[in-house]
Amino acid sequence: GENVEQHPSTLSVQEGDSAVIKCTYSDSASNYFPWYKQELGKRPQLIIDIRSNVGEKKDQRIAVTLNKTAKHFSLHITETQPEDSAVYFCAASKEGTYKYIFGTGTRLKVLA
Amino acid sequence: AAGVIQSPRHLIKEKRETATLKCYPIPRHDTVYWYQQGPGQDPQFLISFYEKMQSDKGSIPDRFSAQQFSDYHSELNMSSLELGDSALYFCASSYNRNTEAFFGQGTRLTVV
Repeated sequence: GENVEQHPSTLSVQEGDSAVIKCTYSDSASNYFPWYKQELGKRPQLIIDIRSNVGEKKDQRIAVTLNKTAKHFSLHITETQPEDSAVYFCAASKEGTYKYIFGTGTRLKVLA
Repeated sequence: AAGVIQSPRHLIKEKRETATLKCYPIPRHDTVYWYQQGPGQDPQFLISFYEKMQSDKGSIPDRFSAQQFSDYHSELNMSSLELGDSALYFCASSYNRNTEAFFGQGTRLTVV
């Protein structure tokens, strides 16, 4: 069935350093890949997304890359700040379906 | 801007009781999703509706049912509650599929 693997499960970085979170999806028909940030007890909020016809997308300090051949996509956060500390989820969906399959999450801690 | 509204925010029920969670999607959004998130877990897809018709079904127990009404609001009905049903329940909505899904603030269900 559809599956999204996410690594690492926890990540600690020093403030100002970069953070990279990786996801692998199983269904080659997946064509939409959002990333969500979730603070404790709050709702997931979209921070960036990418479609399968694009290899890379950037929004200020956040970027996402997609390798369709390898079925990998990654989140890159540069110049990390303490307020970036949260749980980050990748997700995937495919044409013809109305659901997003989430990865298992990465708890990012940015140390001041 | 209007967001996804969920009610109630918190709910405490006893085992074997029933619960009804409500979701009001963003105006003009035609797709509603329900997710269950246990402590420290990723959101698990339960069910979705497109234009008031059930579209996809995930790991939703037979004890649960959901529907979307003519005004596009949705309800998740949960019967014979079990301790393991304690979780955060999120509703999300989007305009069509494979686009950004906006999450509500969630309903925290505690079964005692």
